[in-house]
Amino acid sequence: EAEVAQSPRYKITEKSQAVAFWCDPISGHATLYWYRQILGQGPELLVQFQDESVVDDSQLPKDRFSAERLKGVDSTLKIQPAELGDSAMYLCASSSSLGPYEQYFGPGTRLTVT
Amino acid sequence: GESVGLHLPTLSVQEGDNSIINCAYSNSASDYFIWYKQESGKGPQFIIDIRSNMDKRQGQRVTVLLNKTVKHLSLQIAATQPGDSAVYFCAERRTGFQKLVFGTGTRLLVSP
Repeated sequence: EAEVAQSPRYKITEKSQAVAFWCDPISGHATLYWYRQILGQGPELLVQFQDESVVDDSQLPKDRFSAERLKGVDSTLKIQPAELGDSAMYLCASSSSLGPYEQYFGPGTRLTVT
Repeated sequence: GESVGLHLPTLSVQEGDNSIINCAYSNSASDYFIWYKQESGKGPQFIIDIRSNMDKRQGQRVTVLLNKTVKHLSLQIAATQPGDSAVYFCAERRTGFQKLVFGTGTRLLVSP
């Protein structure tokens, strides 16, 4: 069964450092999402891509976060500089553009900022 | 504003019981709803979905009920098993958008 791949699974970094996460969606899924999930809460959308284009980044803190999907396949989410409040699970999901649009999630990257 | 919430943060049941997890949503423009299961340290796993033109949908041991009049969604799990222990999230999608809005989750604890 096809899955969304993410790496690394865990990342510990010091505040003010840069950190990057990688996601490879299910093959053929044109839509890719990055979510942030704080412990005990539901995921919150950070950015949504349709192919290589950003279609929603309204909740992305653009002063420190950036995301790209240059070839419309895999994607990278970067934080620079990291802050203590960025400690969370970062989830990637993908969905087909043809409907019914259910999103399939990867295992996530657990970020701890010290 | 938009919100998707759950009435019960923790639900404890015995193995073999039926479980019901509830969710309230506030956006009447939502046309699609999904239930996800999330085990510790893992990403959310799709369980079942329902469109707003339906009021009930059944899967394997799970049933989702949608009451648009009171903006209420529920997930019923039959013959709950210890492997069902997890946090369950409902999510809604507004018409014309692919973005999902998640609730805060309900933890289901199943005792053997």
